[in-house]
Amino acid sequence: EVQVLESGGGLVQPGESLRLSCAASGFTFSAYAMRWVRQAPGKGLEWVSAISGSGGTTQYADSVKGRFTISRDNSKNTVYLQMNSLRADDTAVYYCTKGNSGLYMDVWGQGTTVTVSS
Amino acid sequence: EIVMTQSPATLSVSPGDRATLSCRASQSINSNLAWYQQKPGQPPRLLIFGASTRATDIPARFSGSGSGTDFTLTISSLQSEDFAVYYCQQCHNWPLTFGGGTKVEAK
Repeated sequence: EVQVLESGGGLVQPGESLRLSCAASGFTFSAYAMRWVRQAPGKGLEWVSAISGSGGTTQYADSVKGRFTISRDNSKNTVYLQMNSLRADDTAVYYCTKGNSGLYMDVWGQGTTVTVSS
Repeated sequence: EIVMTQSPATLSVSPGDRATLSCRASQSINSNLAWYQQKPGQPPRLLIFGASTRATDIPARFSGSGSGTDFTLTISSLQSEDFAVYYCQQCHNWPLTFGGGTKVEAK
Protein backbone atom coordinates (compact mmCIF):
# COMPACT_ATOMS: atom_id res chain seq x y z
CA GLU A 1 0.00 0.00 0.00
CA VAL A 2 1.28 3.42 -0.97
CA GLN A 3 1.40 5.71 2.03
CA VAL A 4 3.16 8.66 3.59
CA LEU A 5 3.32 9.46 7.28
CA GLU A 6 4.23 12.83 8.72
CA SER A 7 5.78 13.55 12.08
CA GLY A 8 7.49 16.35 13.93
CA GLY A 9 4.71 18.84 14.46
CA GLY A 10 4.22 20.65 17.73
CA LEU A 11 3.87 23.93 19.58
CA VAL A 12 6.67 26.44 19.18
CA GLN A 13 7.14 30.13 19.89
CA PRO A 14 7.51 32.74 17.15
CA GLY A 15 11.02 32.80 15.76
CA GLU A 16 11.76 29.20 16.68
CA SER A 17 12.47 26.27 14.38
CA LEU A 18 10.90 22.89 13.72
CA ARG A 19 11.70 20.02 11.39
CA LEU A 20 8.95 17.91 9.89
CA SER A 21 9.59 14.43 8.55
CA CYS A 22 7.62 12.32 6.14
CA ALA A 23 8.25 8.60 5.82
CA ALA A 24 7.09 7.00 2.60
CA SER A 25 6.39 3.38 1.76
CA GLY A 26 4.84 1.24 -0.94
CA PHE A 27 6.47 2.93 -3.94
CA THR A 28 9.90 3.60 -5.43
CA PHE A 29 10.57 6.72 -3.40
CA SER A 30 13.46 8.11 -5.41
CA ALA A 31 11.40 8.08 -8.59
CA TYR A 32 8.88 10.62 -7.36
CA ALA A 33 8.79 14.24 -6.39
CA MET A 34 7.43 15.01 -2.96
CA ARG A 35 5.49 18.09 -1.93
CA TRP A 36 4.28 19.75 1.26
CA VAL A 37 0.87 21.39 1.45
CA ARG A 38 -0.53 23.17 4.49
CA GLN A 39 -3.94 24.14 5.76
CA ALA A 40 -4.42 26.84 8.36
CA PRO A 41 -7.27 26.29 10.84
CA GLY A 42 -10.60 26.66 9.05
CA LYS A 43 -8.91 27.70 5.80
CA GLY A 44 -8.13 26.27 2.41
CA LEU A 45 -5.10 24.49 1.02
CA GLU A 46 -1.76 26.17 0.35
CA TRP A 47 1.15 24.53 -1.45
CA VAL A 48 4.37 25.09 0.49
CA SER A 49 7.32 23.32 -1.12
CA ALA A 50 8.36 20.58 -3.51
CA ILE A 51 11.46 18.50 -4.22
CA SER A 52 12.32 16.35 -7.21
CA GLY A 53 13.00 12.64 -6.92
CA SER A 54 16.75 13.11 -6.98
CA GLY A 55 16.58 16.05 -4.61
CA GLY A 56 18.33 18.26 -7.14
CA THR A 57 15.42 20.61 -7.75
CA THR A 58 13.37 22.38 -5.11
CA GLN A 59 10.50 24.86 -5.21
CA TYR A 60 9.04 27.12 -2.53
CA ALA A 61 6.01 29.30 -2.06
CA ASP A 62 6.90 32.96 -1.65
CA SER A 63 5.41 32.89 1.84
CA VAL A 64 8.12 30.49 3.08
CA LYS A 65 11.03 31.20 0.76
CA GLY A 66 14.20 31.88 2.72
CA ARG A 67 12.77 30.40 5.93
CA PHE A 68 11.86 26.80 4.98
CA THR A 69 14.13 24.18 3.42
CA ILE A 70 12.94 20.94 1.86
CA SER A 71 15.27 17.97 1.58
CA ARG A 72 15.12 14.22 1.18
CA ASP A 73 17.08 11.11 2.06
CA ASN A 74 16.32 8.47 -0.55
CA SER A 75 18.17 5.83 1.46
CA LYS A 76 15.60 6.34 4.24
CA ASN A 77 12.55 6.99 2.03
CA THR A 78 12.05 10.22 3.95
CA VAL A 79 11.45 13.83 3.04
CA TYR A 80 12.00 16.69 5.46
CA LEU A 81 10.80 20.25 5.88
CA GLN A 82 13.08 22.41 7.99
CA MET A 83 11.12 25.42 9.18
CA ASN A 84 13.02 28.37 10.63
CA SER A 85 11.89 31.79 11.87
CA LEU A 86 8.40 30.49 12.38
CA ARG A 87 5.55 32.98 12.52
CA ALA A 88 2.00 32.82 13.80
CA ASP A 89 0.69 32.59 10.24
CA ASP A 90 2.66 29.36 9.74
CA THR A 91 0.21 27.68 12.11
CA ALA A 92 -1.41 24.90 10.10
CA VAL A 93 -1.76 21.22 9.46
CA TYR A 94 1.13 20.25 7.20
CA TYR A 95 0.46 17.48 4.71
CA CYS A 96 3.13 15.47 2.96
CA THR A 97 2.09 14.46 -0.53
CA LYS A 98 3.46 12.27 -3.27
CA GLY A 99 4.06 13.82 -6.63
CA ASN A 100 3.82 12.23 -10.05
CA SER A 101 4.37 13.09 -13.70
CA GLY A 102 1.83 15.89 -13.42
CA LEU A 103 1.84 18.66 -10.83
CA TYR A 104 -0.96 17.15 -8.77
CA MET A 105 -0.85 15.21 -5.49
CA ASP A 106 -2.07 11.64 -5.64
CA VAL A 107 -1.26 10.44 -2.12
CA TRP A 108 -1.69 12.48 1.06
CA GLY A 109 -0.61 11.80 4.60
CA GLN A 110 -2.82 12.39 7.62
CA GLY A 111 -0.98 15.60 8.41
CA THR A 112 0.99 16.95 11.33
CA THR A 113 -0.05 20.05 13.23
CA VAL A 114 2.27 22.99 13.72
CA THR A 115 1.22 25.70 16.13
CA VAL A 116 3.24 28.89 16.46
CA SER A 117 2.22 30.86 19.51
CA SER A 118 3.73 32.67 22.43
CA GLU B 1 0.84 33.42 -9.90
CA ILE B 2 -2.30 31.80 -11.30
CA VAL B 3 -5.35 32.61 -9.20
CA MET B 4 -8.01 29.91 -8.94
CA THR B 5 -11.58 30.99 -8.15
CA GLN B 6 -14.25 28.49 -7.16
CA SER B 7 -17.99 29.01 -7.13
CA PRO B 8 -20.28 28.81 -5.35
CA ALA B 9 -18.66 28.91 -1.94
CA THR B 10 -21.46 26.72 -0.59
CA LEU B 11 -23.80 24.42 -2.49
CA SER B 12 -26.88 23.05 -0.75
CA VAL B 13 -28.15 19.85 -2.34
CA SER B 14 -30.24 16.81 -1.52
CA PRO B 15 -29.11 13.20 -1.95
CA GLY B 16 -29.82 12.10 -5.49
CA ASP B 17 -29.43 15.62 -6.87
CA ARG B 18 -26.92 16.61 -9.49
CA ALA B 19 -24.20 18.94 -8.16
CA THR B 20 -22.19 21.23 -10.41
CA LEU B 21 -19.08 22.97 -9.06
CA SER B 22 -17.12 25.58 -10.98
CA CYS B 23 -13.47 26.57 -11.02
CA ARG B 24 -11.93 29.40 -13.01
CA ALA B 25 -8.24 30.11 -13.61
CA SER B 26 -6.88 33.62 -14.04
CA GLN B 27 -5.05 32.51 -17.20
CA SER B 28 -5.14 29.49 -19.46
CA ILE B 29 -3.94 26.30 -17.84
CA ASN B 30 -4.90 23.99 -20.73
CA SER B 31 -6.20 20.81 -19.09
CA ASN B 32 -3.80 20.97 -16.16
CA LEU B 33 -6.37 20.87 -13.37
CA ALA B 34 -7.01 18.58 -10.44
CA TRP B 35 -9.97 18.25 -8.09
CA TYR B 36 -9.80 17.08 -4.48
CA GLN B 37 -12.42 16.13 -1.90
CA GLN B 38 -11.89 16.82 1.78
CA LYS B 39 -14.09 15.61 4.60
CA PRO B 40 -13.84 17.03 8.15
CA GLY B 41 -10.77 15.81 10.00
CA GLN B 42 -9.39 14.02 6.95
CA PRO B 43 -6.72 14.86 4.39
CA PRO B 44 -7.78 15.77 0.87
CA ARG B 45 -8.33 12.95 -1.60
CA LEU B 46 -7.53 13.22 -5.29
CA LEU B 47 -10.66 12.87 -7.42
CA ILE B 48 -9.77 14.11 -10.88
CA PHE B 49 -6.54 15.03 -12.69
CA GLY B 50 -5.92 16.27 -16.20
CA ALA B 51 -9.28 18.05 -15.87
CA SER B 52 -11.29 14.92 -16.65
CA THR B 53 -9.45 11.72 -15.65
CA ARG B 54 -10.80 10.03 -12.54
CA ALA B 55 -8.22 8.91 -10.02
CA THR B 56 -8.03 5.32 -8.85
CA ASP B 57 -11.20 4.02 -7.15
CA ILE B 58 -13.18 7.21 -7.72
CA PRO B 59 -16.82 6.43 -8.55
CA ALA B 60 -18.14 7.17 -12.01
CA ARG B 61 -20.68 9.67 -10.63
CA PHE B 62 -17.76 12.13 -10.38
CA SER B 63 -16.80 13.73 -13.67
CA GLY B 64 -14.64 16.66 -14.64
CA SER B 65 -14.71 18.82 -17.73
CA GLY B 66 -13.28 22.00 -19.17
CA SER B 67 -10.05 23.41 -20.51
CA GLY B 68 -8.33 26.76 -20.73
CA THR B 69 -9.76 28.83 -17.90
CA ASP B 70 -13.14 27.29 -17.05
CA PHE B 71 -13.65 23.94 -15.41
CA THR B 72 -16.51 21.97 -13.89
CA LEU B 73 -16.79 19.11 -11.43
CA THR B 74 -20.10 17.29 -11.67
CA ILE B 75 -21.50 14.79 -9.20
CA SER B 76 -24.27 13.14 -11.15
CA SER B 77 -26.33 11.75 -8.25
CA LEU B 78 -25.11 12.95 -4.90
CA GLN B 79 -24.65 10.32 -2.19
CA SER B 80 -24.59 11.07 1.52
CA GLU B 81 -20.84 10.37 1.63
CA ASP B 82 -20.24 13.13 -0.93
CA PHE B 83 -20.98 15.97 1.49
CA ALA B 84 -17.56 17.56 1.79
CA VAL B 85 -15.40 20.46 0.63
CA TYR B 86 -14.06 20.31 -2.90
CA TYR B 87 -10.92 22.09 -4.08
CA CYS B 88 -9.52 22.64 -7.53
CA GLN B 89 -5.78 23.04 -8.12
CA GLN B 90 -3.92 24.24 -11.16
CA CYS B 91 -1.15 21.85 -12.23
CA HIS B 92 0.18 24.13 -14.96
CA ASN B 93 3.09 25.92 -13.37
CA TRP B 94 4.74 27.06 -10.17
CA PRO B 95 3.64 28.10 -7.69
CA LEU B 96 0.92 25.49 -7.48
CA THR B 97 -2.31 27.17 -6.41
CA PHE B 98 -5.66 26.01 -5.12
CA GLY B 99 -9.11 27.47 -5.28
CA GLY B 100 -10.81 28.55 -2.08
CA GLY B 101 -13.09 25.51 -2.05
CA THR B 102 -16.77 24.72 -2.46
CA LYS B 103 -18.60 23.21 0.48
CA VAL B 104 -21.31 20.77 -0.56
CA GLU B 105 -23.83 20.56 2.25
CA ALA B 106 -27.19 18.95 2.81
CA LYS B 107 -30.20 21.04 1.86
